[in-house]
Amino acid sequence: AQSVTQLDSQVPVFEEAPVELRCNYSSSVSVYLFWYVQYPNQGLQLLLKYLSGSTLVKGINGFEAEFNKSQTSFHLRKPSVHISDTAEYFCAVSEPLRGTSYGKLTFGQGTILTVHP
Amino acid sequence: DARVTQTPRHKVTEMGQEVTMRCQPILGHNTVFWYRQTMMQGLELLAYFRNRAPLDDSGMPKDRFSAEMPDATLATLKIQPSEPRDSAVYFCASGSTGGAENTEAFFGQGTRLTVV
Repeated sequence: AQSVTQLDSQVPVFEEAPVELRCNYSSSVSVYLFWYVQYPNQGLQLLLKYLSGSTLVKGINGFEAEFNKSQTSFHLRKPSVHISDTAEYFCAVSEPLRGTSYGKLTFGQGTILTVHP
Repeated sequence: DARVTQTPRHKVTEMGQEVTMRCQPILGHNTVFWYRQTMMQGLELLAYFRNRAPLDDSGMPKDRFSAEMPDATLATLKIQPSEPRDSAVYFCASGSTGGAENTEAFFGQGTRLTVV
């Protein structure tokens, strides 16, 4: 079984400041890792994913995340945030099972990022 | 552009009524997932299908929930009878198996269900 812990439920930050949203996971097997963003009254949109290879992953909208296997973490970062980044962010994991797509996800509880002017 | 379409977007119903939510996956996708989002439980997987066959519905209350794929372009999630605790946003997502490029689940905009 897998679990995901997002360490901060809310993160307030000023515009143009850097931000880090923290995510730790627990699993007995190797996992794939994802960050999704949800804008108000919208579905989830994939920001980035780690499947294998380089541990630093770049995604859309200037976000990046680093996979740290020893610390079982996958923290999301952005060097300079915009007002439009205000949203809820979800970290998720899935098992790389043969013959399945990457949609069987276990999600964290979410982090609400609020960017203030 | 390709997207997952869910209908209705909002539904208010009385306790005891039947509710049917529909999902049109992206054309060509062969896996469909149903998730439920609540404040208390967050996002939970209810059920998923591959090639229209149910693979796992262990997250779904069996006595009142049912999920089907009548054809490759339609997935349904039904609640009968509905209860106030079913109030949530229900998301459908679709994806494709096989191939390194098929590494993402695409989510619909959700159906917000309120049971009064």
